[in-house]
Amino acid sequence: KAGVTQTPRYLIKTRGQQVTLSCSPISGHRSVSWYQQTPGQGLQFLFEYFSETQRNKGNFPGRFSGRQFSNSRSEMNVSTLELGDSALYLCASQPEGFEGYTFGSGTRLTVV
Amino acid sequence: TQLLEQSPQFLSIQEGENLTVYCNSSSVFSSLQWYRQEPGEGPVLLVTVVTGGEVKKLKRLTFQFGDARKDSSLHITAAQPGDTGLYLCAGGGPYNFNKFYFGSGTKLNVKP
Repeated sequence: KAGVTQTPRYLIKTRGQQVTLSCSPISGHRSVSWYQQTPGQGLQFLFEYFSETQRNKGNFPGRFSGRQFSNSRSEMNVSTLELGDSALYLCASQPEGFEGYTFGSGTRLTVV
Repeated sequence: TQLLEQSPQFLSIQEGENLTVYCNSSSVFSSLQWYRQEPGEGPVLLVTVVTGGEVKKLKRLTFQFGDARKDSSLHITAAQPGDTGLYLCAGGGPYNFNKFYFGSGTKLNVKP
């Protein structure tokens, strides 16, 4: 069965631009979560979507947003990019009632 | 401040040695997960423990959840170069069952 797919794998953007990252969860998983991973801060929770609704949110500014579609695919958007947004962005899905993620390979975003 | 503190941060050992990684918190968790992450990839779930005092074994890896569900340990027997990677613990809850808090990780290098 296919795993969690994230696209693109790598992205280079300029400060001030915006970016959209995509995630396709494992079939049947309705919960999709997004994390930011940096060497200094580790994995930081961005938000979680379940059945097209944002169910949980981390402590990130409003420039970070997301959405989920009826087929459970999810996108996250970062507007007005800053140098500090350079990170590995990870998407993870899990079935309801199970505590444990299946992660995608991530999108490496570099802001220059 | 991290909700989960992992120690040690770095570990470099020879093949065949034993090691233990610790994950501690002052908070109670509904579950504790361990992941291994290799460079350029997303974390891979190794185990989820949910009952205080629970011990789970996965080949040469032994995971323990503290009686009070505030801490956990991962013990590797006879480490092999294939065990090299970043080991992350993650706690489910205590305030929200669909949001997980990650430790900062232990970077393990096993030399042949």
